[in-house]
Amino acid sequence: QKEVEQNSGPLSVPEGAIASLNCTYSDRGSQSFFWYRQYSGKSPELIMFIYSNGDKEDGRFTAQLNKASQYVSLLIRDSQPSDSATYLCAVYTGGFKTIFGAGTRLFVKA
Amino acid sequence: DTEVTQTPKHLVMGMTNKKSLKCEQHMGHRAMYWYKQKAKKPPELMFVYSYEKLSINESVPSRFSPECPNSSLLNLHLHALQPEDSALYLCASSQRDSQETQYFGPGTRLLVL
Repeated sequence: QKEVEQNSGPLSVPEGAIASLNCTYSDRGSQSFFWYRQYSGKSPELIMFIYSNGDKEDGRFTAQLNKASQYVSLLIRDSQPSDSATYLCAVYTGGFKTIFGAGTRLFVKA
Repeated sequence: DTEVTQTPKHLVMGMTNKKSLKCEQHMGHRAMYWYKQKAKKPPELMFVYSYEKLSINESVPSRFSPECPNSSLLNLHLHALQPEDSALYLCASSQRDSQETQYFGPGTRLLVL
């Protein structure tokens, strides 16, 4: 059974702080990794994707991938109240299948 | 443009009704997906179409019937649903397969009475 694990939270950080979201996956053959943001009642919105080991930065967001340790993380710098949402880690495992983690709820306090 | 559209936004139906959900994308993507999402749960894959052919059916009950009339359109036909089928139904597309980024539509909120 291929799995993607996330801490459900809620993760609470003050405005302006760094939020760190973590995800582990079970399938060593996983190839592509995605972070989606989902506001309550809305659909998932792509934040970042990463394919290679290391860091990938896009504005206030940095994705980190370590395939040897089978984890992927998302850092949000200068967190804003508008970042308050559920963050879904998604892992492509092959054969058209992407497995989603249960999501981490982030709350940014103003 | 990374837009996937879905209609209707909301749907209330009885257990004997027949209805359809529609999804459209004009990004030239050749893979399209249906997901079901219950509250506080991650999206669950239902069906995948690749190049207009059904590639994956995740053991979905036959009361859900997908259709891909052309490369831009994806339908989900609903018949004799149960109250436990109430959920947010999400359509997504990607260029060729889910190794690439999937873009989600806004979803259809379905309530089965």
